[in-house]
Amino acid sequence: AQRVTQPEKLLSVFKGAPVELKCNYSYSGSPELFWYVQYSRQRLQLLLRHISRESIKGFTADLNKGETSFHLKKPFAQEEDSAMYYCALGRGGGNKLTFGTGTQLKVEL
Amino acid sequence: GAVVSQHPSRVICKSGTSVKIECRSLDFQATTMFWYRQFPKKSLMLMATSNEGSKATYEQGVEKDKFLINHASLTLSTLTVTSAHPEDSSFYICSARDGGQAPLYQETQYFGPGTRLLVL
Repeated sequence: AQRVTQPEKLLSVFKGAPVELKCNYSYSGSPELFWYVQYSRQRLQLLLRHISRESIKGFTADLNKGETSFHLKKPFAQEEDSAMYYCALGRGGGNKLTFGTGTQLKVEL
Repeated sequence: GAVVSQHPSRVICKSGTSVKIECRSLDFQATTMFWYRQFPKKSLMLMATSNEGSKATYEQGVEKDKFLINHASLTLSTLTVTSAHPEDSSFYICSARDGGQAPLYQETQYFGPGTRLLVL
């Protein structure tokens, strides 16, 4: 069975500080990992996916198969980064998503 | 960008009644839509995959007779919670996959705003 673990429910950092949101997964197949973000009073939206190896809004995430991790990182947090972040594992061609419990990121001034 | 809407945004009903929730892709055609359920302070849980013109595929543990899904067109999927009970109270979210001409790895799921169901 697949599982996504986000150990931190809340992460509070100061503006300009580095951010790392942790995500670990377990899956017997070839994993497809995503990060989704939900800003206050908005719907869930895709932030980035591992296969694209892209940086979105300064965020990056590297898939580490040895550690079964897909941590989300940003070198300098901005106030507008405050949101709920969900790590998700895709199966069935990446379409069926298993979500982690989410981490609330709060960037303080 | 692609937009997915849900209706209603909030519904309160009496125990034993059935409730229908609509999910629409507004500016794209979605051959596949997904239905999720989210409990307070919990993660989203995939309930079922809705395929246009065919039967939905339910995840393990989800009662297909309880949660009826119909995907009659490329822009509309409905979830009907039959004979609702208080334990069905939850936040229901749909998403739609916009494949278009993009390669498979570039396909994106777009999420609706969710429907809050409260069964009294």
